[in-house]
Amino acid sequence: KAGVTQTPRYLIKTRGQQVTLSCSPISGHRSVSWYQQTPGQGLQFLFEYFSETQRNKGNFPGRFSGRQFSNSRSEMNVSTLELGDSALYLCASSATGGASPLHFGNGTRLTVT
Amino acid sequence: AQTVTQSQPEMSVQEAETVTLSCTYDTSESDYYLFWYKQPPSRQMILVIRQEAYKQQNATENRFSVNFQKAAKSFSLKISDSQLGDAAMYFCAYRSAAGNQFYFGTGTSLTVIP
Repeated sequence: KAGVTQTPRYLIKTRGQQVTLSCSPISGHRSVSWYQQTPGQGLQFLFEYFSETQRNKGNFPGRFSGRQFSNSRSEMNVSTLELGDSALYLCASSATGGASPLHFGNGTRLTVT
Repeated sequence: AQTVTQSQPEMSVQEAETVTLSCTYDTSESDYYLFWYKQPPSRQMILVIRQEAYKQQNATENRFSVNFQKAAKSFSLKISDSQLGDAAMYFCAYRSAAGNQFYFGTGTSLTVIP
């Protein structure tokens, strides 16, 4: 099976712009989660989608949003970018069931200048 | 919300030696799952090992094993015969059996000294 695919791998944006990141989960996985990783804050949970519905949400401002499509692919959008949004954004998918682990993509490195 | 604590921001080990990474968690639940993830410099997070809380036997995967102490809410990772390729950030994670969200620790950076 193909792993979790995130595009693009690198992104450079200017303050005030918006950005959309894409994630294709492992085939058959209906849950997709997004995390922000920074050196100082570690892994911060953004949100989780399951069957096109947001099931969980982390403590991020409304500028961060996401969606999931019927084929389980997910997108994450950040509007009005701030310098502090520079981070590695990780997407992970999982199968149904508590013991199912997260399978991560390679991440998108976002730099805001 | 559950919290996961990794009290060792950095650790180092000599090649071929054994190292133990610590993880504690706080929960009032009795049924849950615990995971260790490895993130090498290539940055892709990889599952190392998982443990079901209802299982008393500690999980083992080749050179990786855990010491799961449910009463103490402790879940440490032991790496035996350390190799240069083990150098990475290691994250401990918790998932409730009743929920869907994963809770991660802040990570331990492991250096392997040749």
